[in-house]
Amino acid sequence: AQTVTQSQPEMSVQEAETVTLSCTYDTSENNYYLFWYKQPPSRQMILVIRQEAYKQQNATENRFSVNFQKAAKSFSLKISDSQLGDTAMYFCALFKLNSGNTPLVFGKGTRLSVIA
Amino acid sequence: DSGVTQTPKHLITATGQRVTLRCSPRSGDLSVYWYQQSLDQGLQFLIQYYNGEERAKGNILERFSAQQFPDLHSELNLSSLELGDSALYFCASRSYSGGNTGELFFGEGSRLTVL
Repeated sequence: AQTVTQSQPEMSVQEAETVTLSCTYDTSENNYYLFWYKQPPSRQMILVIRQEAYKQQNATENRFSVNFQKAAKSFSLKISDSQLGDTAMYFCALFKLNSGNTPLVFGKGTRLSVIA
Repeated sequence: DSGVTQTPKHLITATGQRVTLRCSPRSGDLSVYWYQQSLDQGLQFLIQYYNGEERAKGNILERFSAQQFPDLHSELNLSSLELGDSALYFCASRSYSGGNTGELFFGEGSRLTVL
């Protein structure tokens, strides 16, 4: 079975500062994808960033980057220059690549508050 | 706009009642997934359909059922509703064009309140 663990239920950061959200996962698969989704107060689920397990290079999307440690099964999200609009729930998710139409498995989320 | 459409956006009903939630996936997507998100919780996978056939089942109660129709829209039926069924129900679809990256595109959700 696959599991995704987010050990920080809540975090806060000052505007313009940097914050890192933690995620660990467990899977016996070698081929998989990892995602960070953002859920703002509007409740819409928005993809923030994606990482392919076979790629050693960490993914980056503008102010968002990840630190992917495959051996440690760790996948943290770094948000640089935090903005008020980054206030949201952040979910880490895992997808097994070679298992057909399997669903994403989500962690319980981290609530991030960006303070002015 | 993800391209996934869910109706209704909000629904209030009483215990013991039955409701139907509807989802239209993105154009061209054959897979539909249903997730349940209870208050301040993560997303729990309920069920998945691919081109009209059930492909995977998660923690879906026997009181819940779903189907995907030939036009690819899907419906989630919730019956004998209990207070604990109050939640946000998400539908998501997946594209396989360009390779299966696993990314799901989510609708805005249907918020169900059972009183």
